[in-house]
Amino acid sequence: DVKVTQSSRYLVKRTGEKVFLECVQDMDHENMFWYRQDPGLGLRLIYFSYDVKMKEKGDIPEGYSVSREKKERFSLILESASTNQTSMYLCASSTRPLNTGELFFGEGSRLTVL
Amino acid sequence: KNQVEQSPQSLIILEGKNCTLQCNYTVSPFSNLRWYKQDTGRGPVSLTIMTFSENTKSNGRYTATLDADTKQSSLHITASQLSDSASYICVVSDNQGGKLIFGQGTELSVKP
Repeated sequence: DVKVTQSSRYLVKRTGEKVFLECVQDMDHENMFWYRQDPGLGLRLIYFSYDVKMKEKGDIPEGYSVSREKKERFSLILESASTNQTSMYLCASSTRPLNTGELFFGEGSRLTVL
Repeated sequence: KNQVEQSPQSLIILEGKNCTLQCNYTVSPFSNLRWYKQDTGRGPVSLTIMTFSENTKSNGRYTATLDADTKQSSLHITASQLSDSASYICVVSDNQGGKLIFGQGTELSVKP
């Protein structure tokens, strides 16, 4: 079974803190994604990566950065957390190509910024 | 603008009853349509993926239909169970950049 593991299920951080969200997948997938999910807005793509050290901005990249140093690991970084970044963050992975590869999600990381 | 609209926003049914969730999309060019189930506080899990040429696809008590001409899909749940209580998300992929467009989901609650 494909497994996408997110390091933290729940986090509480203070405004201005640097936040790291880690995601690891064990199926050798090329593509990895970070989404945020807010009530009434559905899932919105923050960043995705189609290969090691490659990254592409999604629909809402502002305030976020990502790192993919190894194929299995994709990290989301909030350089200076703000209250409007309180959300559920979902990591996903898929095979190529982007439009047909089945998407596998992690369990999510619920971040609260105070 | 590529959009995916789901209806209803929420639905309450009694255990054992059937229900149908709707998904309309304006994504073009179309690649495939997916239905996901998301339990509260968990990540979405894939139910079905349908391409242009597929009209119906089943996964146990879940049956998805696709009408590519009218750009509509439905997810039919037969003999609902309490464990079917979840959010159901429709996702459409385009055939150009491979972008996935997510619907806002339908919140289903199955009551005993």
